Amino acid sequence: DAKTTQPPSMDCAEGRAANLPCNHSTISGNEYVYWYRQIHSQGPQYIIHGLKNNETNEMASLIITEDRKSSTLILPHATLRDTAVYYCIVRASGYSTLTFGKGTMLLVSP
Amino acid sequence: ETGVTQSPTHLIKTRGQQVTLRCSSQSGHNTVSWYQQALGQGPQFIFQYYREEENGRGNFPPRFSGLQFPNYSSELNVNALELDDSALYLCASSEGNSYNEQFFGPGTRLTVL
Repeated sequence: DAKTTQPPSMDCAEGRAANLPCNHSTISGNEYVYWYRQIHSQGPQYIIHGLKNNETNEMASLIITEDRKSSTLILPHATLRDTAVYYCIVRASGYSTLTFGKGTMLLVSP
Repeated sequence: ETGVTQSPTHLIKTRGQQVTLRCSSQSGHNTVSWYQQALGQGPQFIFQYYREEENGRGNFPPRFSGLQFPNYSSELNVNALELDDSALYLCASSEGNSYNEQFFGPGTRLTVL
């Protein structure tokens, strides 16, 4: 699996958009970009995934650059409950396990 | 719909002992993956079971072994416990052997003294 690079930590004010970047410059054409988050003392939670097009669901939006070498997870209106470690993962074709890095610790403050 | 459950929630063992951790997959899911998460690190893949067969293994020694049962629940067994085995052990279930999202349980916190 390709490696990802994320900032170790980010801050966001409650109610503002949180934009979490991820670099995956060695991603292959058949690898998807996945985002999970882990709230303290809980198991990771799936957020969203995409291949090349931008994706949106009830939790977040995923913006993937045209060259697919980076992506941004957007939480449009961050709340205190969004404080968590966010993991960006690229996942190989036909291989269903997840390779986690250290992720980004997002702290949402009042 | 019942989510992924794990037992026990916490466990304390001493070095050299053996431990068995249990996971019940989400209804309809036939794939279970196990991960080890050391403090301050992301989860690391141990192995995966699909329809009762091991379907991939990470960089863990043979003393880490597992089983999946006909109802798709699973066990993780660790023999000859070492201090470095202290970690949060996570189980994740998914439907099929594909890109489907994995649903994680709350984990079992293992402390080895």
